[in-house]
Amino acid sequence: DAGVTQSPTHLIKTRGQQVTLRCSPKSGHDTVSWYQQALGQGPQFIFQYYEEEERQRGNFPDRFSGHQFPNYSSELNVNALLLGDSALYLCASSRVPGQGEAFFGQGTRLTVV
Amino acid sequence: GESVGLHLPTLSVQEGDNSIINCAYSNSASDYFIWYKQESGKGPQFIIDIRSNMDKRQGQRVTVLLNKTVKHLSLQIAATQPGDSAVYFCAENQAAGNKLTFGGGTRVLVKP
Repeated sequence: DAGVTQSPTHLIKTRGQQVTLRCSPKSGHDTVSWYQQALGQGPQFIFQYYEEEERQRGNFPDRFSGHQFPNYSSELNVNALLLGDSALYLCASSRVPGQGEAFFGQGTRLTVV
Repeated sequence: GESVGLHLPTLSVQEGDNSIINCAYSNSASDYFIWYKQESGKGPQFIIDIRSNMDKRQGQRVTVLLNKTVKHLSLQIAATQPGDSAVYFCAENQAAGNKLTFGGGTRVLVKP
């Protein structure tokens, strides 16, 4: 049983560019959440997708957007990249929101130069 | 590999000793708490969870204690092993959905 998978593992982008990160949830999970983890800090909640809709959102600007597909996989898009967007981006999946633990992927390390 | 938690509080413990990691949470409405372990270059890994109607829960070599009065959570690791070296995060979850709020994390270093 594959766990949560994310791609790519590492990415380098230039300021002002746009980036798309991808996530496939654990089998049997239909809810995907995205987190940003800056170096030396805990993960910060970006948003959550369930039934192809954004259900909850953290304190992140509109430059951060997402999508969930019918197969429950998800994308995180960040526009107009800033140096401060450099971080580890984590995807977590769970069953119906509020139903137990979230499983995390290994993350995508984004470096903005 | 990736280095997580360069500036985190560090707990150094001798192999075989017990470890206690503490966490203060912020939201009285939180009803579900989770401890995660994060090794360098990896995503957080679930260790143990506890719901707000409990004050103690035990797993394999780990125990979580919850004190709702002072909004404090602790993780006890028995007979700490080298493989326990990692950054540990507590996370709280409010009733509506799996929106996790993470604490700042503690690095555990196990000395042989």
